[in-house]
Amino acid sequence: GAVVSQHPSRVICKSGTSVKIECRSLDFQATTMFWYRQFPKQSLMLMATSNEGSKATYEQGVEKDKFLINHASLTLSTLTVTSAHPEDSSFYICSAQERDTEAFFGQGTRLTVV
Amino acid sequence: GQNIDQPTEMTATEGAIVQINCTYQTSGFNGLFWYQQHAGEAPTFLSYNVLDGLEEKGRFSSFLSRSKGYSYLLLKELQMKDSASYLCAVLDSNYQLIWGAGTKLIIKP
Repeated sequence: GAVVSQHPSRVICKSGTSVKIECRSLDFQATTMFWYRQFPKQSLMLMATSNEGSKATYEQGVEKDKFLINHASLTLSTLTVTSAHPEDSSFYICSAQERDTEAFFGQGTRLTVV
Repeated sequence: GQNIDQPTEMTATEGAIVQINCTYQTSGFNGLFWYQQHAGEAPTFLSYNVLDGLEEKGRFSSFLSRSKGYSYLLLKELQMKDSASYLCAVLDSNYQLIWGAGTKLIIKP
């Protein structure tokens, strides 16, 4: 199946700093990429949807200025957690899909803010 | 509103068969996915159904009835490594994935 590469897999950062997470579709053009967050023992929560070349659509309750999403090309989307705080510690997952195919997921990024 | 229901937890015995059900009510339908997720890992794709009927892939099969808003994932010859959460997700009319909360499957020897 198609490959989506997410980097880094784990990151520890200090409170107040920013962290960038990359999501790349390696062998297909991802017209749409999704960013999810997963809290322990809960299902994935969609944070935002990004279409190549346009602004991301954020879900209700997700702060746009805190979680910056850029989808500059058909193979790359980035999520930047700005001014991170301990409550931002979570598992972040991206997925990429073409219009009428299944979504393929990245490996996930475990963010720990200390 | 959009809603996807699946059981919270199921228990089965190694070597047996288990069926995990999923019912959905969404704005439009462009397919239904089943994913497997082990603790601490990202979900992995299992199956995709867009037409009614049964899709078989080895030990795993997935069934869809669009008229009933119903799907199930069937796991045969259960192995201990099948212990995981199984997520049902529907692609709605805007091509967004609507997720169920997941079913935690516990396999006992």
